[in-house]
Amino acid sequence: DAGVTQSPTHLIKTRGQQVTLRCSPKSGHDTVSWYQQALGQGPQFIFQYYEEEERQRGNFPDRFSGHQFPNYSSELNVNALLLGDSALYLCASSLWENIQYFGAGTRLSVL
Amino acid sequence: QKEVEQDPGPLSVPEGAIVSLNCTYSNSAFQYFMWYRQYSRKGPELLMYTYSSGNKEDGRFTAQVDKSSKYISLFIRDSQPSDSATYLCAMSAVGGATNKLIFGTGTLLAVQP
Repeated sequence: DAGVTQSPTHLIKTRGQQVTLRCSPKSGHDTVSWYQQALGQGPQFIFQYYEEEERQRGNFPDRFSGHQFPNYSSELNVNALLLGDSALYLCASSLWENIQYFGAGTRLSVL
Repeated sequence: QKEVEQDPGPLSVPEGAIVSLNCTYSNSAFQYFMWYRQYSRKGPELLMYTYSSGNKEDGRFTAQVDKSSKYISLFIRDSQPSDSATYLCAMSAVGGATNKLIFGTGTLLAVQP
C-alpha cells in the first residue's frame, strides 16, 4: 500500500519565479492538506482540498493556490516566490476521520 | 499566546530511560490529539492518536490526554538511539471545516547509547 508521495524531493528557484509541487494521497484517502514547515518550527496549515474544492485555508497569501484532481491527487502552486518561502512543503492525506498521514515533503529553496 | 505550546528541548537521555514529552493547548474545541515523529529532513510519521480524553498504549509508547488541564503527554519506555528525532504534537477540532492540524514547535530528543 503506497503512502503519500510527493514530487519533486528538492527544488531550487529564484525570487519572483513560480513553482508547482505535486502530491498523491494514500490509497483510499480523499482529502489532501498542505503544510509549510520552516526550519525548527512545526508545520503550518496552508489549505485543504476535498471533492476538488478548497475546503479550508490558513493564513497564507493568495500567491499560494492549489488544485485537487478527480483521482484525489493535488498540486500546490506558489507565485512570485520570496526568500521567505524557502521551507519544507508537506502534503497530508486523510479520510473522514481527521487522522492525517504525511509524505516526505518537498524542500524548496528560493535564492 | 500560541494555540499549542511545546518545549523545544533539546532533550538528551541515556538509552533505556523513560522519556516524557508534553504539550499544552488553549483551544477547548480540540478533540483529536496526535503525536508525530520526524527524522531530520523527512516528513512527520504518525505515531499515535487519541480522540477526546484518556490513555492509549502502543508498544513502548503511551499517549495521555487530560482535557481538564488542556495537557497532553507522550511517554517512551526503554528509549533507544533510534528514537532520536523531533517529536511533534498536533491537535484538531471536529468537523469538516475545522479539521486542520495545529502543531507544536516540536521537541528534539537525543537518546545516547
